Amino acid sequence: AQTVTQSQPEMSVQEAETVTLSCTYDTSESDYYLFWYKQPPSRQMILVIRQEAYKQQNATENRFSVNFQKAAKSFSLKISDSQLGDAAMYFCAYRGGAQKLVFGQGTRLTINP
Amino acid sequence: GAVVSQHPSWVICKSGTSVKIECRSLDFQATTMFWYRQFPKQSLMLMATSNEGSKATYEQGVEKDKFLINHASLTLSTLTVTSAHPEDSSFYICSATTGTGGQPQHFGDGTRLSIL
Repeated sequence: AQTVTQSQPEMSVQEAETVTLSCTYDTSESDYYLFWYKQPPSRQMILVIRQEAYKQQNATENRFSVNFQKAAKSFSLKISDSQLGDAAMYFCAYRGGAQKLVFGQGTRLTINP
Repeated sequence: GAVVSQHPSWVICKSGTSVKIECRSLDFQATTMFWYRQFPKQSLMLMATSNEGSKATYEQGVEKDKFLINHASLTLSTLTVTSAHPEDSSFYICSATTGTGGQPQHFGDGTRLSIL
């Protein structure tokens, strides 16, 4: 079975600085997708960024980018120019052939003004 | 686009009653819907996967007779917690997707269930 591991329960960063959230996963599949979701205090799940495993190019969405290392099974999220609104729980997720999402434990990100 | 509506957002009921939670895709047809449970300060745990017109597939350890899932149309799935007890209190979230592959799952806003 696939597993997703987020080894940082909590992270904090100064406003306007850059922070990187770590995620590793384990799978025997070759075709899959990886996601980062954000869950603010409202508990709504918001898609931040998506990466197709067959694409070598790292996905980017404005201030959010990923470092996808397929061989190492690593999928970290970099947030540049951190803003107060970025404070939330961040979940890394894997989706393979079974189509269901497997979530990591989450990282709580705090932005210090 | 891709809006998923989940109702109710919060429900409080007495132990022993049944509670139904609805999950609707408002502007797309959802071939597959998922139901998750989230305990405080924990991650989302998949409970079951439902495809329109077929029986739901439950994850290991989830009681199918306790958590009844119906996916009667391409826009509606329901989760019924039968004979609810305080240990069933949790945050339940549904999501829906239009198809396979990289199509993202779109999440509802969740339902906070409190059983007294």
